[in-house]
Amino acid sequence: QTVVTQEPSFSVSPGGTVTLTCGLSSGSVSTSYYPSWYQQTPGQAPRTLIYNTNTRSSGVPDRFSGSILGNKAALTITGAQADDESDYYCVLYMGSAIWVFGGGTKLTVL
Amino acid sequence: EVQLLESGGGLVQPGGSLRLSCAASGFTFNSYAMSWVRQAPGKGLQWVSGISAGGSGSYYADSVRGRFSIFRDNSKNTLYLQMNSLRAEDSAIYFCVEGGGWSGSAVKYHFDYWGQGTLVTVSS
Repeated sequence: QTVVTQEPSFSVSPGGTVTLTCGLSSGSVSTSYYPSWYQQTPGQAPRTLIYNTNTRSSGVPDRFSGSILGNKAALTITGAQADDESDYYCVLYMGSAIWVFGGGTKLTVL
Repeated sequence: EVQLLESGGGLVQPGGSLRLSCAASGFTFNSYAMSWVRQAPGKGLQWVSGISAGGSGSYYADSVRGRFSIFRDNSKNTLYLQMNSLRAEDSAIYFCVEGGGWSGSAVKYHFDYWGQGTLVTVSS
């Protein structure tokens, strides 16, 4: 069974840059997996940030960007702000109308 | 403004059944695939099921296939999830989500708008 992997936690200083990744337990992530990224703060519904690898959802600031780095999908936050402190989830399309979420990354801004 | 309002959650005994509903507004419901995504307390997100815009195609995670059934009533702009043979591990907040599937001839590969969720607790 394929597992989508994410760093459990990450920290970044205010104003700094951080890159979160989304990989596969077996194989490489490519654009064909249509990676997307979601931000969730405690008690709230997720918010869509990035889809189709690198397209920002409406209203998402351009300091959030998506890409493929090596064999993983990546979410980069440039100029991190205090309210970026959240859980971040990626999801990959596995084909046959099946999606699998990663375990999420808890981002701390300090 | 897109709104997705889930209802139907609650406490149910193991082996029991529950039907979740999601009332949609603010967009052309019958033009979009819809999905259910859940989140167990303190855990991550898990895709559960999806349905095409017209309702002809439905898809399930392995963990719920054969027990859950997704369907929609486009005349009522409502999405449903019928959950049978519930287990403790099905306890979660269930989010109704626009996206994830076939909308006409095109596939939407991501999840766009999210409801606030409804809590399902399976316990004796």
